Amino acid sequence: RKEVEQDPGPFNVPEGATVAFNCTYSNSASQSFFWYRQDCRKEPKLLMSVYSSGNEDGRFTAQLNRASQYISLLIRDSKLSDSATYLCVVNVYNNNDMRFGAGTRLTVKP
Amino acid sequence: DVKVTQSSRYLVKRTGEKVFLECVQDMDHENMFWYRQDPGLGLRLIYFSYDVKMKEKGDIPEGYSVSREKKERFSLILESASTNQTSMYLCATSQGIETQYFGPGTRLLVL
Repeated sequence: RKEVEQDPGPFNVPEGATVAFNCTYSNSASQSFFWYRQDCRKEPKLLMSVYSSGNEDGRFTAQLNRASQYISLLIRDSKLSDSATYLCVVNVYNNNDMRFGAGTRLTVKP
Repeated sequence: DVKVTQSSRYLVKRTGEKVFLECVQDMDHENMFWYRQDPGLGLRLIYFSYDVKMKEKGDIPEGYSVSREKKERFSLILESASTNQTSMYLCATSQGIETQYFGPGTRLLVL
């Protein structure tokens, strides 16, 4: 079983739609969690950290469920510019050992 | 703004060649990383360094070595390139355990 698993997609949604991605992790000792965004042929960039209480940044909401060992990303009112691959990242021991999911590809269509 | 640069965006090499990939950062970050990214597998850590002349193996160090002689520069070396090392190579830096900042990547093709 992979340490961090994501549905690869692709998710194809119309502009204005709400879309949600889930990510599961295998190590219950995992300490910190992130969502990164990667545009086609570009490097990954931090989208947001995921806190235990959940957090929101504009149209983006991230949630953590430690009991079920998954994190989620919700995007409301999708824009064309949201089209990208979203990477789930888990830091197991609060050190430099970040574990990356393979990514979920999102395409937002007009 | 953190800037991480990599020496080449695209590279074509022949099997058996020695390959050097360089990464330079301008933010005085302690930690530097080398990953490879392959479809369906995500990013996998090859090596990382938390200080000058210090290095730690990641998940897939076989066939690779690294060098960090100066804080701002972290080099990845493929001692004898093989076709299964064709991949996208990404360098990243971080200060502590916070956000990792990535370079633009090097697409390496080994023929």
